[in-house]
Amino acid sequence: DVKVTQSSRYLVKRTGEKVFLECVQDMDHENMFWYRQDPGLGLRLIYFSYDVKMKEKGDIPEGYSVSREKKERFSLILESASTNQTSMYLCASSSWRRGYNEQFFGPGTRLTVL
Amino acid sequence: GQQVMQIPQYQHVQEGEDFTTYCNSSTTLSNIQWYKQRPGGHPVFLIQLVKSGEVKKQKRLTFQFGEAKKNSSLHITATQTTDVGTYFCVVASNSGYALNFGKGTSLLVTP
Repeated sequence: DVKVTQSSRYLVKRTGEKVFLECVQDMDHENMFWYRQDPGLGLRLIYFSYDVKMKEKGDIPEGYSVSREKKERFSLILESASTNQTSMYLCASSSWRRGYNEQFFGPGTRLTVL
Repeated sequence: GQQVMQIPQYQHVQEGEDFTTYCNSSTTLSNIQWYKQRPGGHPVFLIQLVKSGEVKKQKRLTFQFGEAKKNSSLHITATQTTDVGTYFCVVASNSGYALNFGKGTSLLVTP
């Protein structure tokens, strides 16, 4: 069964801390994505990666960076966490092998920055 | 990238009533996907529509893609409490890899 896992379900950090959110997929998908979800704003794309070591900015990349050293793992990094980065973070993966890029999501990490 | 407007933002129905959410774009879409997110859960893929005028059914759910490929709808017949959640229409971004999510329609079904 297809699976995307995220390192933490809930996370509380302090302003200025460096925060790592990890995402792992076991489907050999080439594409991986990081979104944040906020009430009334839907899902907004932060970064995505279509191959190992490749990354592309999404709609709201400011304040974030990513790393993809292995195909199955995609990390989101908050270099210096701020309160406005309190949000639900969702990781997803997809592949074109089936002819369309259905996205499979992880359970999400609810990050609170104090 | 391609953007979509989704209406209504919220819908509250009695169990057994029908429900429809609409998705509209100002540009022609190559395809459209629909996802459902249960409260406290993550989005789950429902379906993809590709052809002009396409209609697909999944039990009580009917998905339509407009003839001009600029709009789509999701209709649920005889809602059940298990239908509660947010329904998103989703379109491809300029890159083709990423997806742009609409803001979703939150459906509440009361017994």
